Amino acid sequence: DTEVTQTPKHLVMGMTNKKSLKCEQHMGHRAMYWYKQKAKKPPELMFVYSYEKLSINESVPSRFSPECPNSSLLNLHLHALQPEDSALYLCASSRATGGPTEAFFGQGTRLTVV
Amino acid sequence: GENVEQHPSTLSVQEGDSAVIKCTYSDSASNYFPWYKQELGKRPQLIIDIRSNVGEKKDQRIAVTLNKTAKHFSLHITETQPEDSAVYFCAAPQEYAAGNKLTFGGGTRVLVKP
Repeated sequence: DTEVTQTPKHLVMGMTNKKSLKCEQHMGHRAMYWYKQKAKKPPELMFVYSYEKLSINESVPSRFSPECPNSSLLNLHLHALQPEDSALYLCASSRATGGPTEAFFGQGTRLTVV
Repeated sequence: GENVEQHPSTLSVQEGDSAVIKCTYSDSASNYFPWYKQELGKRPQLIIDIRSNVGEKKDQRIAVTLNKTAKHFSLHITETQPEDSAVYFCAAPQEYAAGNKLTFGGGTRVLVKP
């Protein structure tokens, strides 16, 4: 199984709502990532989890709160978002050791903030 | 941090012709260079990668070349087909204690005209 599964595929939320994005992989990868991708732009790294611990936060606003409950799951909790946060949110996973290697991406959650 | 520049931003080719995309990177410690293809509305998927101990790698119609001295690497697609139409991203991960910090180039939108 080389799949990274993200839910939901689409999400529309108001600026006062709280929602969560979910990501799951069963490849035994111990590094998991959240990326944000705006239209016609490359993915931008938000967070890196290694062995279920947050290892990189790319100065992301606190209205985005990541969580890694176990080695297969990664969540992104959203609260009080702004319209400019509308984007495709991609989850990815990779091996955590042995040097840089392929990152497997999920199909993304297309988020619209209204 | 790593800076990756990619050119051209758009590329239109006739079916059967070749396409070349070039990237430069800034961190001389980088040693792994993947290329991702992202079709419209889909996830980025790895199509080929190269490590710094080799200068060229081929996989059927796709090849990647690396010049570590000049800090640039290129993607070559031969005998292009309509299904090659997509956005292509180069990347240069920075290895951390666990996992990768993947920095993408700006992307190249390739259109193959039948």
